Amino acid sequence: KNEVEQSPQNLTAQEGEFITINCSYSVGISALHWLQQHPGGGIVSLFMLSSGKKKHGRLIATINIQEKHSSLHITASHPRDSAVYICAAFSNTGNQFYFGTGTSLTVIP
Amino acid sequence: EAGVAQSPRYKIIEKRQSVAFWCNPISGHATLYWYQQILGQGPKLLIQFQNNGVVDDSQLPKDRFSAERLKGVDSTLKIQPAKLEDSAVYLCASSPAFRGVLTFGAGSRLTVL
Repeated sequence: KNEVEQSPQNLTAQEGEFITINCSYSVGISALHWLQQHPGGGIVSLFMLSSGKKKHGRLIATINIQEKHSSLHITASHPRDSAVYICAAFSNTGNQFYFGTGTSLTVIP
Repeated sequence: EAGVAQSPRYKIIEKRQSVAFWCNPISGHATLYWYQQILGQGPKLLIQFQNNGVVDDSQLPKDRFSAERLKGVDSTLKIQPAKLEDSAVYLCASSPAFRGVLTFGAGSRLTVL
């Protein structure tokens, strides 16, 4: 069993839709990242969370430490949001990251 | 702040040949990671350095992969001999130790024919 599970694996949305990607983890963490990877591109950290909620433009990330769950929301989705979104948990017992397998998002105009 | 530098960006080799990738982390970042990302999958840790010491290389196929981080700064990852299944993107990332901040390089895409 993976330490970090993401859902859904694939997601197709119409432009303008509200999108939610979920991440559950089983390890104790001190931080959680949401990463974005465009096709053929590098990986960029969108958010690093340790509690609560963060917002950047149309992107919102939340984390519930008690439930070991985080969500990434995209409001008013746009085709340029099409990418793979990866959840990565930073362990609080060792200097290491655990990665989800990613959610491939396609936003159709 | 300069990012994590990697080279080459792309490499095509035939199976049984060798290849080396280079990474220059963000200045001052003590922790350096090499990840392998196969198409459609999340990154898989190959090796983690803390300064110039190895913290975790449990998933590194040591019969063909090797990595070093001389002087605790730059790092090289070598594959010799390469197999078809080594075709992947090799990502280098760095982090200040025990801080949970993570910055990735652009990756080196390897195709083994």
